[in-house]
This record gives sequence, C-alpha cells and structure tokens, in this order.
Amino acid sequence: DAKTTQPNSMESNEEEPVHLPCNHSTISGTDYIHWYRQLPSQGPEYVIHGLTSNVNNRMASLAIAEDRKSSTLILHRATLRDAAVYYCILNNSGGSNYKLTFGKGTLLTVNP
Amino acid sequence: EAQVTQNPRYLITVTGKKLTVTCSQNMNHEYMSWYRQDPGLGLRQIYYSMNVEVTDKGDVPEGYKVSRKEKRNFPLILESPSPNQTSLYFCASSLLEGNSPLHFGNGTRLTVT
Repeated sequence: DAKTTQPNSMESNEEEPVHLPCNHSTISGTDYIHWYRQLPSQGPEYVIHGLTSNVNNRMASLAIAEDRKSSTLILHRATLRDAAVYYCILNNSGGSNYKLTFGKGTLLTVNP
Repeated sequence: EAQVTQNPRYLITVTGKKLTVTCSQNMNHEYMSWYRQDPGLGLRQIYYSMNVEVTDKGDVPEGYKVSRKEKRNFPLILESPSPNQTSLYFCASSLLEGNSPLHFGNGTRLTVT
C-alpha cells in the first residue's frame, strides 16, 4: 500500500501562514493526494485533494511537487479554529485496493 | 442533507456481550469503511466495502465483522467484545473514485468493561 509520512506536530501563530508537509515517495500515477482534518471531538472532514497540479479552495491550498513524491497543505492565515490533526492520504482511482490508510497525522497547534 | 449517520454515539458494554454499531449513508456511495481511533495510534482501518456483498479486511480486522447487504448500510459487529476494543469508531463513505472525498460520521465511543 502507498503510505504517507507526516511530522507528528507543528506549531504556528495566529494569522500567520502554515505549511504542513507530507511525503509519499511510493505514490503511483493514479493516486490522488487527499487532505483531511479532525477538530477536537469530531470526525475527520475533507479539506482538499489534487492529482498533479496545485489546487486552491476556500479552506486551503495544496502544493504538489513536480515528481509528486511530496505535497504541502497551506493554510494562508491560521486561526485558532484551525487547531486540529491534519491527515494526508493517497486515494487510488485506478486500483482495486481501497484501503485508504490514514496514519497518525500532524497535530497543529495555533498560538494566539 | 448528505450525511453519514452512526448509532449509537456512546455505548458501554461488558466483555462478551455481542453488539452492533450501525452506519448509514444517504449519498448512494459505493465505498464504505470503518476506522478505530486510539490515542497515539491515529486512525486505523478495520474493514471496508467497495459495493454490496463485497467486503475486505483493513489493517486491524481481528475481533470484528461487517456486512453489506444494502448499499446504504454497513454495520460493524463485535461478536464477543473485549476491553481492548474500547475505542472511538468512525464510519466513512465515498464514491468509488480517487477524486471523491470521504464523508465521516460523528463517531461512536465504545467502552468495554
């Protein structure tokens, strides 16, 4: 199974940008990169996804390396409500294996 | 409203007493999955299903059963619960496409004494 590697934790200050990295060196050509976040006492929620090109939506931006072996979730101005665990996973659109392994994610702390 | 509904939200039971946690989605999703979440271990997949009557083991399937008789429902069955199955459980669903986001339920906190 294609796996991802993320730092255990990161810290940021309110209203500053945050760059959350994810390594996925064994990514295959049909794997989409998905990001989710889990706020305290809630289920994970979808943030953003991409295949090859950088993506922007109202929540965040996703920067994907040219070789696709890593990606970065960018929160342009962190708020206290962005404090959460962020997960990066690979979602294979063309394979029969849909195990969708999450791992431990990155715990983001936002300081006021 | 599009949603994944899990029941119950909280459950306390005793060792060996069979229980079922229900999961239902109203989005006509082919893919459904169960995860457990424990402190320090992240989200670990228990079982998943890619369509009706098709189920596969995830990373931690021991002690659990699932069934997928209808597209909308994917119950998690613990035939003989043990204390090491005390955990927070999440059900999720999506279309069977790599660019389709997973939708999660609100979780079921299970305590086995």
